[in-house]
Amino acid sequence: QSVLTQPPSASGTPGQRVTISCSGSSSNIGINTVNWYQQLPGTAPKLLIYSNNQRPSGVPDRFSGSKSGTSASLAISGLQSEDEADYYCAAWDDNLNGVFGTGTRVTVL
Amino acid sequence: EEQLVESGGGLVQPGGSLRLSCEASGFSFSDYEMNWVRQAPGKGLEWVSYISGSDNTVYYADSVKGRFTISRDNAKNSLYLQMNSLRGEDTAVYYCARGGWLVFFFWGQGTLVTVSS
Repeated sequence: QSVLTQPPSASGTPGQRVTISCSGSSSNIGINTVNWYQQLPGTAPKLLIYSNNQRPSGVPDRFSGSKSGTSASLAISGLQSEDEADYYCAAWDDNLNGVFGTGTRVTVL
Repeated sequence: EEQLVESGGGLVQPGGSLRLSCEASGFSFSDYEMNWVRQAPGKGLEWVSYISGSDNTVYYADSVKGRFTISRDNAKNSLYLQMNSLRGEDTAVYYCARGGWLVFFFWGQGTLVTVSS
């Protein structure tokens, strides 16, 4: 089953900007939109970004998403301690499968 | 208040079966597509299965195809996952999630399935 590739970790100091990449293929990100999830320890995931760059109600505008070709990115600007979590990208695949990224743990130094 | 509550998890031997349930409340269940997503201990998220709102279109991950069956009963506001021929690698927290195309605005709290002898 295909997966989306993310860096295992990312970090920054409070106030910094952190970017997480998500690399896919022509069968998933290349033809479908990308969504991003945040998972705090011991909790269910939370939708952070959908349709490449849309924020659900209640998600701070510090979080932004973009997509280009077969890759996507999540940016967190003005990093805060509560942003320390695992982040996953996700996209539908044309093999009629849902595909999640490998996950990135963000640490606030 | 919108809620999704999973149940049915537990310890099962390899080769065994288990049926998970997800009871919805606070919204019109039949209007929504539903999914199961799992997370093995210390690992990432894995999409498992999808079911449409009313015409029962279903999709499965290759890793569970032929062993798991997703279903729903809109009259009971419930989603199910019948899991057969369970393997150690099926050990995970199983979440039900509302939405389609991997856009899940709402998740349950999860139920743990442990496959071990």
